[in-house]
Amino acid sequence: GENVEQHPSTLSVQEGDSAVIKCTYSDSASNYFPWYKQELGKRPQLIIDIRSNVGEKKDQRIAVTLNKTAKHFSLHITETQPEDSADYFCAAGGVGGANSKLTFGKGITLSVRP
Amino acid sequence: SAVISQKPSRDICQRGTSLTIQCQVDSQVTMMFWYRQQPGQSLTLIATANQGSEATYESGFVIDKFPISRPNLTFSTLTVSNMSPEDSSIYLCSVRQNEKLFFGSGTQLSVL
Repeated sequence: GENVEQHPSTLSVQEGDSAVIKCTYSDSASNYFPWYKQELGKRPQLIIDIRSNVGEKKDQRIAVTLNKTAKHFSLHITETQPEDSADYFCAAGGVGGANSKLTFGKGITLSVRP
Repeated sequence: SAVISQKPSRDICQRGTSLTIQCQVDSQVTMMFWYRQQPGQSLTLIATANQGSEATYESGFVIDKFPISRPNLTFSTLTVSNMSPEDSSIYLCSVRQNEKLFFGSGTQLSVL
């Protein structure tokens, strides 16, 4: 089955700096890679996702890059703000049908220092 | 995105008892998923609930411990049976809609 590794486990940045979170996956059949943000006591919220036929996707201050050859993908947050402080989880899996399930990384706690 | 209602939101249970968690979606979905999130940990898939067939369990999870029902395309239940303190966790139902995975609000379970 799929194995997703996420690193680092914690990250602290100064407000306004950029943050990069990296994940690797093991199953070359995986073709969908979402990222979730989870604030304390709340449900995970999808913030951005990418399919394997795309190398990069951007949404305002958030971007995701994918390297299929190396089997890794990264979340980039620019101009970080204190409200970006949360746990972030990457996942990998299929887009639907029999391959619908997603495997999650262990998560990272991002702290943005004001 | 799908609106997913989950209840109860939290419960405190005695060892050896069972708790059934309900998940209601505002639209018909083919697959529903049940995840567990232990304190400070990641999201671990328990099983995939398919309407009209048996649930598919992941390694380490068995039907006797976590029976699942899926009577229709908008509803599912997860039962945590014969609970022990190790079952203390957040349980989340989720659905995929247009390939995206959305989560319910979760059930925080504490077992004494």
